[in-house]
Amino acid sequence: ETGVTQTPRHLVMGMTNKKSLKCEQHLGHNAMYWYKQSAKKPLELMFVYNFKEQTENNSVPSRFSPECPNSSHLFLHLHTLQPEDSALYLCASSQEVGPRDYEQYFGPGTRLTVT
Amino acid sequence: GQNIDQPTEMTATEGAIVQINCTYQTSGFNGLFWYQQHAGEAPTFLSYNVLDGLEEKGRFSSFLSRSKGYSYLLLKELQMKDSASYLCAVRDRAGNNRKLIWGLGTSLAVNP
Repeated sequence: ETGVTQTPRHLVMGMTNKKSLKCEQHLGHNAMYWYKQSAKKPLELMFVYNFKEQTENNSVPSRFSPECPNSSHLFLHLHTLQPEDSALYLCASSQEVGPRDYEQYFGPGTRLTVT
Repeated sequence: GQNIDQPTEMTATEGAIVQINCTYQTSGFNGLFWYQQHAGEAPTFLSYNVLDGLEEKGRFSSFLSRSKGYSYLLLKELQMKDSASYLCAVRDRAGNNRKLIWGLGTSLAVNP
């Protein structure tokens, strides 16, 4: 069983809704990541947190707002999304951001549909 | 630009050997890694290469040639459970501001 959990697994929301995705890792890691996976597109890294501090924001629109209250929890707050934001959102963790952060552990993802 | 190419789909027979190729063009290089992703599941880490040569791990091996911008993942004694998507990814440089660049993945179907 994966050490990274995500809730909800599926989410359907309207463009005017506000919702949040939750990720929790039980591996004692210090780095956490949000990815977007769309059909026929490569995996896109959205945000990186290392020891609760955001270290990367890859030009993600402000309608996506991450929050990392501690090293075990990561949230992605969503508001006024667009239909093209429909995708699988994956959370991952690694020991920390550094030479070995290629070994990332992924959660099962949240399948988001924006109507 | 930064680009990773791998075949979209491959098919193979149970018990056989299959090689999945990956070529990359990036501004720098600080490691290449392979992940496996079963349909509807999370990607799982398979291997990492930063130096030229072959890394073997059980039935799976990964090869890297930095001068050619080329890697392959070799799967031996194929099993039905190996049917999955195989993602190639490159870290373009060390230190801060490094980027992880992912390929689209190769969907492998293993037939009986």
